[in-house]
Amino acid sequence: GAGVSQSPSNKVTEKGKDVELRCDPISGHTALYWYRQSLGQGLEFLIYFQGNSAPDKSGLPSDRFSAERTGGSVSTLTIQRTQQEDSAVYLCASSLAAGVSTDTQYFGPGTRLTVL
Amino acid sequence: LAKTTQPISMDSYEGQEVNITCSHNNIATNDYITWYQQFPSQGPRFIIQGYKTKVTNEVASLFIPADRKSSTLSLPRVSLSDTAVYYCLVGDIRDDKIIFGKGTRLHILP
Repeated sequence: GAGVSQSPSNKVTEKGKDVELRCDPISGHTALYWYRQSLGQGLEFLIYFQGNSAPDKSGLPSDRFSAERTGGSVSTLTIQRTQQEDSAVYLCASSLAAGVSTDTQYFGPGTRLTVL
Repeated sequence: LAKTTQPISMDSYEGQEVNITCSHNNIATNDYITWYQQFPSQGPRFIIQGYKTKVTNEVASLFIPADRKSSTLSLPRVSLSDTAVYYCLVGDIRDDKIIFGKGTRLHILP
């Protein structure tokens, strides 16, 4: 079966532009997670969805960031008016059922975002 | 939410056993301990998970003392391909946040 896929794999944009990053989770996985990883750094948790709902959005770095999930499947992370500090790899993961501490997260390859 | 502390980096040689310890003093009763491995330009992947005592699978062992305030990932007979960043994750998604931390950068030398 297919794993988690993300698109685009690379995105170069100019400061001030909006970008959309897409994540296709593993089929049947109800939980979906977004992380950000700056060069040489650990993973910064952004948000997670259980179904189409995100219980807590406080992990998003600023109000320029938003995320949605539709149909309990595909998720989109949108960054408005991008800044150079937004440059990072954005990783998506999915798991069978959120709310269970034994959940294993399956990660996608990430989208490398570069803001010029 | 439990916070984890790991060594920033470790070096070892091929064929050696490597132990990476993670401290999680504030672990909650319902928290499991999970380790992930990340190669350059890839997303992390699950290695092993445990709650207490010892867990072993085909790639690693996880040792957790009775107080569960720390855990040790043990990689037997490492090879060059084990060079990666290893993350210790403690927590329950019901806390609505997940903290991976900076991980341990393991470098295996020939």
